[in-house]
Order: sequence, then structure tokens, then C-alpha cells
Amino acid sequence: DIQMTQSPSTLSASVGDRVTITCRASQSISSWLAWYQQKPGKAPKLLIYKASSLESGVPSRFSGSGSGTEFTLTISSLQPDDFATYYCQQYNSFLTFGPGTKVDIK
Amino acid sequence: QLQLQESGPGLVKPSETLSLTCTVSGGSISSSSYYWGWIRQPPGKGLEWIGSIYYSGSTYYNPSLKSRVTISVDTSKNQFSLKLSSVTAADTAVYYCARLGPAGTLAYWGQGTLVTVSS
Repeated sequence: DIQMTQSPSTLSASVGDRVTITCRASQSISSWLAWYQQKPGKAPKLLIYKASSLESGVPSRFSGSGSGTEFTLTISSLQPDDFATYYCQQYNSFLTFGPGTKVDIK
Repeated sequence: QLQLQESGPGLVKPSETLSLTCTVSGGSISSSSYYWGWIRQPPGKGLEWIGSIYYSGSTYYNPSLKSRVTISVDTSKNQFSLKLSSVTAADTAVYYCARLGPAGTLAYWGQGTLVTVSS
């Protein structure tokens, strides 16, 4: 099984900050990685697929990078609507999610 | 616009079988491009993929749940269903249905339904 880890688990930031979240896979997943945003009581929302492709309708302040086992999600300038929990998900072998990173207000 | 809606009992007794249905509207479950899946999230915790099904009936399951899971599809009703047997309190979660795009991206989700396992 492919295991996913994320760091940090919690991130405190201010509006306008540049934010970076890291996701690591226990073995190479090529670029088969997606990022999701989830707000309380809501279903996750797809942000990034294939490691760096922006889903339609997602603001360009979100970007993804990486391949193999290490990936990053970057929010270039944090907006009030971005305070949420972010999950990575691999789809190289079955589907596995990372444990999540909560972005809260500093 | 594609929409998915979960339905089923919100309370299940320990050792019994959890049964949920996902109704798809605004698109056909028989589309050749997509799988359909179930994901769950225990209260306050992360996401866990349960399994997925193609309209032909082909399935694949999370190895950790495989012995207890059955996912089926009814193309005439544009629905797919989840059965999870021998449930315990650890199976208490919000259960989501979703559409799997090419290579497993989940762009469309239901709103989720909370299932509590309790006597």
C-alpha cells in the first residue's frame, strides 16, 4: 500500500501570506497526485490534479508541483476564503489520502 | 451540472450491514470515462477511500475493507450502492459518493451522509 504524509499538520497564517504544504508518498507515484480543499461540513473540492494541473474554476493563486515522492501545494497570497483543511491524494495505486493540513488564522 | 446524492439509514446497529445508495443526476452513470466511488470520513478525522465501480460492474476495493465491502451499480436507475457488513463504532463516519475522473481524480462529490453505528 502507498502511504501519504503531509506537513505541517496545522499551519497558522495571515491574509496575504504565501503558504506551502508538503505531501510525501511512501513510494514513487509519478505525477498521479491531486490536492483538495475541505471546509467544515462540506465535501472536498478538487484544486489540483496530475500534481500541477489547475482544476477549472480554481483561482490561479493555487499551484502544485513535484513528482515521484515529494509534492507541494502553494497558495501565493492567502485569501479569507482559503482557511480550510487541505488533503493530498495519490492515484497511482488504488486511492490514498494524506492526513490533511489545517490552515487557520494567525 | 452533475449532481450526486447519498441516501440511506443514518443509524446502524453494531454487527449489522450498512447500506447506502448514490443517485446520479445531470449525467449518465454509464459514461465510459468514469468510475464511481465511495469515500468516508470519521468525525474530526481524514478521508478514506472505500472502493469504486465501473458501470459494467467492475469493482476495486480498499484492501483494508475488502472483506466487508460490496459496491454494486444499477444503470437503469442511474445509481450505485455500498454495503459494509459487520459494522462497529469505528465505521461511524460521513459517507460520500463521488465520480472518479481519469486516473482517479474526484471532481464531483455528493454532500455526504452521516452514518452512526450504535445500539
